[in-house]
Amino acid sequence: DQQVKQNSPSLSVQEGRISILNCDYTNSMFDYFLWYKKYPAEGPTFLISISSIKDKNEDGRFTVFLNKSAKHLSLHIVPSQPGDSAVYFCAVNTGFQKLVFGTGTRLLVSP
Amino acid sequence: NAGVTQTPKFRILKIGQSMTLQCAQDMNHNYMYWYRQDPGMGLKLIYYSVGAGITDKGEVPNGYNVSRSTTEDFPLRLELAAPSQTSVYFCASSYSRDTGRAQYFGAGTRLSVL
Repeated sequence: DQQVKQNSPSLSVQEGRISILNCDYTNSMFDYFLWYKKYPAEGPTFLISISSIKDKNEDGRFTVFLNKSAKHLSLHIVPSQPGDSAVYFCAVNTGFQKLVFGTGTRLLVSP
Repeated sequence: NAGVTQTPKFRILKIGQSMTLQCAQDMNHNYMYWYRQDPGMGLKLIYYSVGAGITDKGEVPNGYNVSRSTTEDFPLRLELAAPSQTSVYFCASSYSRDTGRAQYFGAGTRLSVL
């Protein structure tokens, strides 16, 4: 049973607009939630994380929102840039910083 | 600062062969991990280590072994390679006191078993 789900395999957005990537999880005991970005032939790169005691965390153009009642996590990228085109993975910390990853959403930002 | 270094980048194995995937980090992180990523899937944890001499199984450990004799190195051993082990393998490390719980990944090893 998947503990972390990213239901949208792909998303296309125009440059300058907002990108919203979504993630659902099953276990209300998870304490940390993370987003990673991955370019082809590279390892995942950490973007931003949020603790379960918060509902929002910002870092520049990236904002993560956590809705604990809905067990839902989202990543907002504003404004989107062509260099943001990549696969985005959400992940949850299950203890000892072990991560369980979603299947990823491929974001394409067109000029 | 090199971060997490994985070698080799690519490898083709025949069924039944063995090999070791190397991973080294220079960030003095105490936690290290091995993941595999199959096409269209997320990363799945194979093994992890919380310090030198301490290792434990992740979600998909069958067919693999690890050791951690130093803080810096965490090699992954494949014995009797099978086609099901064709995948991209990622090594990662983290610091237990990192408040963001972030892991830092190497560039990966792409393995084909034919």
